[in-house]
Amino acid sequence: DAKTTQPPSMDCAEGRAANLPCNHSTISGNEYVYWYRQIHSQGPQYIIHGLKNNETNEMASLIITEDRKSSTLILPHATLRDTAVYYCIVIPPGGSNYKLTFGKGTLLTVNP
Amino acid sequence: DTGVSQNPRHKITKRGQNVTFRCDPISEHNRLYWYRQTLGQGPEFLTYFQNEAQLEKSRLLSDRFSAERPKGSFSTLEIQRTEQGDSAMYLCANEGLAAYNEQFFGPGTRLTVL
Repeated sequence: DAKTTQPPSMDCAEGRAANLPCNHSTISGNEYVYWYRQIHSQGPQYIIHGLKNNETNEMASLIITEDRKSSTLILPHATLRDTAVYYCIVIPPGGSNYKLTFGKGTLLTVNP
Repeated sequence: DTGVSQNPRHKITKRGQNVTFRCDPISEHNRLYWYRQTLGQGPEFLTYFQNEAQLEKSRLLSDRFSAERPKGSFSTLEIQRTEQGDSAMYLCANEGLAAYNEQFFGPGTRLTVL
């Protein structure tokens, strides 16, 4: 599986957009980019995933570069409840085991 | 609330004791995973079930660890002869056979070995 690189921490002001980068320069053509987050003392929570095209759901937007070597998770209007560790994970489709390989992620702190 | 429950939420035990954790997944989701998370690290994969079959075990799962999923429903993770290094958060995740992989995590069981 492709490895990912994320900054260890970021700050964001409440109400502003939070842009979390992820580098996955060794990603293969059929591997997806997934984002999860983990609020303190809770289990991880799925946010969004994508392959090539940009994706948007009720939680966030995912922008994947054309060469697919990096991506950005965007929280359009960050709130204090968005303070969490955000994990970028690359996994291949298909197969019988979709185990997630987490790195250390990015600790996003949303400040009032 | 993801619908995945884990019990107990916290467990404190003395070194050498056996402990068992339980995960109750979303009933219609066939895949079940166990992860372990230590302080400051992301979760690490331990083992995986599809229905009642345990299909993969990580090297992290030593001989002291055993997991079961009888009848493909709830799952248990047992640690025998606990060591201080076993202190961690143990997470259960559940996943359906959808085209994409959204894993639903439980709240975890925090184990402290004294």
